[in-house]
Amino acid sequence: DSGVTQTPKHLITATGQRVTLRCSPRSGDLSVYWYQQSLDQGLQFLIQYYNGEERAKGNILERFSAQQFPDLHSELNLSSLELGDSALYFCASSVEPLAGGIDTQYFGPGTRLTVL
Amino acid sequence: AQTVTQSQPEMSVQEAETVTLSCTYDTSESDYYLFWYKQPPSRQMILVIRQEAYKQQNATENRFSVNFQKAAKSFSLKISDSQLGDAAMYFCAYTYNNNDMRFGAGTRLTVKP
Repeated sequence: DSGVTQTPKHLITATGQRVTLRCSPRSGDLSVYWYQQSLDQGLQFLIQYYNGEERAKGNILERFSAQQFPDLHSELNLSSLELGDSALYFCASSVEPLAGGIDTQYFGPGTRLTVL
Repeated sequence: AQTVTQSQPEMSVQEAETVTLSCTYDTSESDYYLFWYKQPPSRQMILVIRQEAYKQQNATENRFSVNFQKAAKSFSLKISDSQLGDAAMYFCAYTYNNNDMRFGAGTRLTVKP
């Protein structure tokens, strides 16, 4: 158990719909990352938040958005869903090292999204 | 652009034997970090080992060790005394900026009893 929680575990929805995925980071971690794992694209970085602020953006579609709340949990919003959005969505968290360098990203169990 | 390549889509090993998974990467950075993650059938991504590029010593975690060749941009994972529970997808990953992490396509490891 990494300490990162994600809900729901599974989500089945229809094309054109909107869903929200939730992530709670490990206690003390300020950074939250979202990744998408699909069969054809592999694991891809979507977006990072640090202490409520967006820090980095990867291959995130305009139909997708995220935010991090004051209690540090994060939500990933996916709208106008398409069949190709079916994937496993991971959240990861890390602490910001005081002395520079980087901290390891610890992954949650993922949310399996199926778009029918 | 930073890319990570895992050239072995599948590998198999006999229980108790040793197996090495390959990973190469491309970067122009001098200071960066490399990881191996394991993804068992449960789909959870589990950290196996990490290596800082500025450290010449290869990282080791129990039965897992790496062969880090900075000049060759190679980062292989050696699993000794393989166990049935080691069966999983293994992903090599790279990051330099504490932001996005780049993953390879993965290697599926089968452990034969």
